[in-house]
Amino acid sequence: QKEVEQNSGPLSVPEGAIASLNCTYSDRGSQSFFWYRQYSGKSPELIMFIYSNGDKEDGRFTAQLNKASQYVSLLIRDSQPSDSATYLCAVRTGAGSYQLTFGKGTKLSVIP
Amino acid sequence: SAVISQKPSRDICQRGTSLTIQCQVDSQVTMMFWYRQQPGQSLTLIATANQGSEATYESGFVIDKFPISRPNLTFSTLTVSNMSPEDSSIYLCSVTGSPYEQYFGPGTRLTVT
Repeated sequence: QKEVEQNSGPLSVPEGAIASLNCTYSDRGSQSFFWYRQYSGKSPELIMFIYSNGDKEDGRFTAQLNKASQYVSLLIRDSQPSDSATYLCAVRTGAGSYQLTFGKGTKLSVIP
Repeated sequence: SAVISQKPSRDICQRGTSLTIQCQVDSQVTMMFWYRQQPGQSLTLIATANQGSEATYESGFVIDKFPISRPNLTFSTLTVSNMSPEDSSIYLCSVTGSPYEQYFGPGTRLTVT
């Protein structure tokens, strides 16, 4: 059974701080990893993907991957109230598969 | 990224009836998927909609309950059949862009009474 685990939160951070969101996965064959942001009542929006060990930066967002520890994280620097949303971690296993397994999401609240 | 539209955006249906949800993409895509998001939950994959062949269903989902059509590379439908209140969910279609990008439509919010 492929599992993706996230702390459900809520995670509260003050405006301007760094928000750290974590995700672990059970399938060692997992190939690529995705972070989606979902505002209440909206569909998920792709923020970042990562497939190599290490860090990947895009603006205020940094994704970190450690395949040995089966761990992926998302850092949001200079958090803004508009970042308040649920963040979903998704994992794709196998080079030939496009199917995603999602975690339950972490709700982030950025306090002005 | 592809632009995805879904119809209807929401509906309230009576138990025992069926609803067909449409997903339209503005460009040809190889892979289309249908997901369900139950209240307060994450996304669960229902099936992969294959063009020109039967859909591939995930464990716990069957064709009789969730028939899917994929007549071409830009369009798919999902039918929720013989509905019960437990089918109240948001239904989302998604498509792949590059191998590392998967995008979601706006969703169909279904309430079964």
